[in-house]
Amino acid sequence: NAGVTQTPKFQVLKTGQSMTLQCAQDMNHEYMSWYRQDPGMGLRLIHYSVGAGITDQGEVPNGYNVSRSTTEDFPLRLLSAAPSQTSVYFCASSWPGQGIYEQYFGPGTRLTVT
Amino acid sequence: AQRVTQPEKLLSVFKGAPVELKCNYSYSGSPELFWYVQYSRQRLQLLLRHISRESIKGFTADLNKGETSFHLKKPFAQEEDSAMYYCALSGNAGGTSYGKLTFGQGTILTVHP
Repeated sequence: NAGVTQTPKFQVLKTGQSMTLQCAQDMNHEYMSWYRQDPGMGLRLIHYSVGAGITDQGEVPNGYNVSRSTTEDFPLRLLSAAPSQTSVYFCASSWPGQGIYEQYFGPGTRLTVT
Repeated sequence: AQRVTQPEKLLSVFKGAPVELKCNYSYSGSPELFWYVQYSRQRLQLLLRHISRESIKGFTADLNKGETSFHLKKPFAQEEDSAMYYCALSGNAGGTSYGKLTFGQGTILTVHP
């Protein structure tokens, strides 16, 4: 199993540009989520999905869109990039093993907005 | 609202010394607490969870509900323990949390030879 994969690894955008960060998992996990990692702030939840066709907002959803058309894929869209969105983005998937949702993380995408 | 606080951004110890990474939380219900670790150039991974009461790589963490703490401890630190450590909480107030995690700010542990 490849686990959770993310593309691209690195991206530089100009302010106002749009792009999609890709996330895929091959573990048949129902739950997927997106976090951003910023120095001194830990990881913060952007959006999450509890299954195909079902998404909801996390702690910092503004400026981001998501959709979940399949169990495997959970892309994150930046509609109009801003310098404040410079961050490292992590996708995660999880399943309720032993009643606890253990999260599996992707390798991350480092995004710089100039 | 739930919150996780890791008061130390940086922690340095020498090899063989004991290490304790502090984590305090705020949550009104019964939390599920975790420690995640990120080694250099590797992805974030689960180190341990309070419900398992396990010891992983010599690390242990005990949930203290009275002090709302979940400190991570290791009696003898090794150089390979150098990494970023995150404490995380998954709440379940009135329903399933689906594993949504609230993370602390993280602590960078450096173990010197």
